[in-house]
Amino acid sequence: AQSVSQHNHHVILSEAASLELGCNYSYGGTVNLFWYVQYPGQHLQLLLKYFSGDPLVKGIKGFEAEFIKSKFSFNLRKPSVQWSDTAEYFCAATATSGTYKYIFGTGTRLKVLA
Amino acid sequence: GAVVSQHPSRVICKSGTSVKIECRSLDFQATTMFWYRQFPKQSLMLMATSNEGSKATYEQGVEKDKFLINHASLTLSTLTVTSAHPEDSSFYICSARDNRGANTQYFGPGTRLTVL
Repeated sequence: AQSVSQHNHHVILSEAASLELGCNYSYGGTVNLFWYVQYPGQHLQLLLKYFSGDPLVKGIKGFEAEFIKSKFSFNLRKPSVQWSDTAEYFCAATATSGTYKYIFGTGTRLKVLA
Repeated sequence: GAVVSQHPSRVICKSGTSVKIECRSLDFQATTMFWYRQFPKQSLMLMATSNEGSKATYEQGVEKDKFLINHASLTLSTLTVTSAHPEDSSFYICSARDNRGANTQYFGPGTRLTVL
């Protein structure tokens, strides 16, 4: 069955700490992968996405993610977090054809302490 | 670009009434839109895929007669919660997939439904 798992449900970091959020997927066939962020009281915003090509993807706000096919992973990273990065982060996967519906991970709630 | 709006942002209704939620893609066309529910501190649960000009595709366990979806144009999909009950109280989020390709969904701000 298709699935996306995020191992860290809650993460607390101090400002300037480095961040890595795990995401693993189980999918038959080729996938497109996404990270979305939901700031408190706001809608989901696209941070970055991977379709093909360079497995290291750079997104907005200094985030990046690396697609490692052999590990079925698409981990999100940021070298130095800020208080404003406090939010919930969702990993999602979708097939490259067909219904295009997303499978979401359970989300990781990040709190950055000032 | 790629803005999706939802209306209303909040609605409170009495049990037994019906509520309509609109989802619009403001600057792009979307043959396909999606409706999700998000429970507190949980992930998004896909309810249905809305296809312009055809019937919606519902996920397993979602009552199609209770959650009516209409996708009458390339920029508008509506979700009607019929005969709402308190257990239908939730945060409903829509997304739209841009027809220009790039298999990416853009999300609306959500609608908080409270059924008394």
